[in-house]
Amino acid sequence: GAVVSQHPSWVICKSGTSVKIECRSLDFQATTMFWYRQFPKQSLMLMATSNEGSKATYEQGVEKDKFLINHASLTLSTLTVTSAHPEDSSFYICSARGGGAPYEQYFGPGTRLTVT
Amino acid sequence: DAKTTQPPSMDCAEGRAANLPCNHSTISGNEYVYWYRQIHSQGPQYIIHGLKNNETNEMASLIITEDRKSSTLILPHATLRDTAVYYCIVRGGGGSQGNLIFGKGTKLSVKP
Repeated sequence: GAVVSQHPSWVICKSGTSVKIECRSLDFQATTMFWYRQFPKQSLMLMATSNEGSKATYEQGVEKDKFLINHASLTLSTLTVTSAHPEDSSFYICSARGGGAPYEQYFGPGTRLTVT
Repeated sequence: DAKTTQPPSMDCAEGRAANLPCNHSTISGNEYVYWYRQIHSQGPQYIIHGLKNNETNEMASLIITEDRKSSTLILPHATLRDTAVYYCIVRGGGGSQGNLIFGKGTKLSVKP
């Protein structure tokens, strides 16, 4: 299957600072990228969907001014957690889907964010 | 809300077939059934998907009932590395037709 990478794989930041997570599709062009969040012992929760060159669409309850998503190219999307707080500590997973059939969706390895 | 129902956990002996059931009684005609799995602290891994015919690939087989209201994922010879949470998801088949919404999945434990 196709490969999606994330960087960094883990990050520790202080409360009040911002952190950026990168998501890249390595061997295909991702028309649509997705960002999920997963708290311990819970399932993945979709945060937002973005199409290349367009503004992201956020799920209900996700603050768009806190979680900034940029999908500037067909191979790169970034998630910036602004003014992070300890409750933002979570496992963030990106996913990418190509523009043609069979529209399979592939996931990155995830980024563990800890806010102290 | 998730459109699927799965048992919360299952055990399987190493080397035996693991059969994971999924109910999706409200599935509509253009929705596919997707299976992903997530090994601890990793991103989900695509396994297989199907519309109405049974499907097989190098990882697993997917059996969909004729009325499409349920399906079974079969891992023919489970290994310890197959221990993971398995997610059954229904989604529209093409383009932007729906997102992958994860339910709670089935935690499969493969035991020696």
